[in-house]
Amino acid sequence: NAGVTQTPKFQVLKTGQSMTLQCAQDMNHEYMSWYRQDPGMGLRLIHYSVGAGITDQGEVPNGYNVSRSTTEDFPLRLLSAAPSQTSVYFCASSYIGRGSSPLHFGNGTRLTVT
Amino acid sequence: AQTVTQSQPEMSVQEAETVTLSCTYDTSESNYYLFWYKQPPSRQMILVIRQEAYKQQNATENRFSVNFQKAAKSFSLKISDSQLGDTAMYFCALGGAQKLVFGQGTRLTINP
Repeated sequence: NAGVTQTPKFQVLKTGQSMTLQCAQDMNHEYMSWYRQDPGMGLRLIHYSVGAGITDQGEVPNGYNVSRSTTEDFPLRLLSAAPSQTSVYFCASSYIGRGSSPLHFGNGTRLTVT
Repeated sequence: AQTVTQSQPEMSVQEAETVTLSCTYDTSESNYYLFWYKQPPSRQMILVIRQEAYKQQNATENRFSVNFQKAAKSFSLKISDSQLGDTAMYFCALGGAQKLVFGQGTRLTINP
């Protein structure tokens, strides 16, 4: 049972480069989301999705794009990386409509933009 | 807007002691959930305990328990008989189960 799988675990980019952080879950969760974690600021929601073809912005969406073509996958795209996007990124998923169904997190991607 | 505040950036206690981590929150929702997540050095996010706001009884999971004060919008985590493996960042979170808002975190160190 893989749960939530994120790739890569580490990435270094130069300013202006683009890349995609991959996220896949095998639990048939309807809800998927991306958070970034910065020191002293906890986790902040970037984008989320409640099902295939449906995405919405979270608290800090600027500079990031997402799409949800399948239930399993929810990639996060950085079109032109900036040093301010240096962070640890977490993908998380859960069921919808099952009371307090908790978020299941991936192991994170540490991204450094130079 | 929903907010979560953890006022203790760092805490340190001796092994076997009891420690309490503080969390206050603000929301206009009547039905919501509160969570504590643990993040050890491995970077994993691990659910420790959860509380449904409509339940008056405080949640308990083995050595972990909460003190939920709904009127005061307070949700503290008590760790009894602390162990070295409890060393981690602890995050308090508020939401409708999915769209969670997190606090800034408390770094807890258990000393031998």
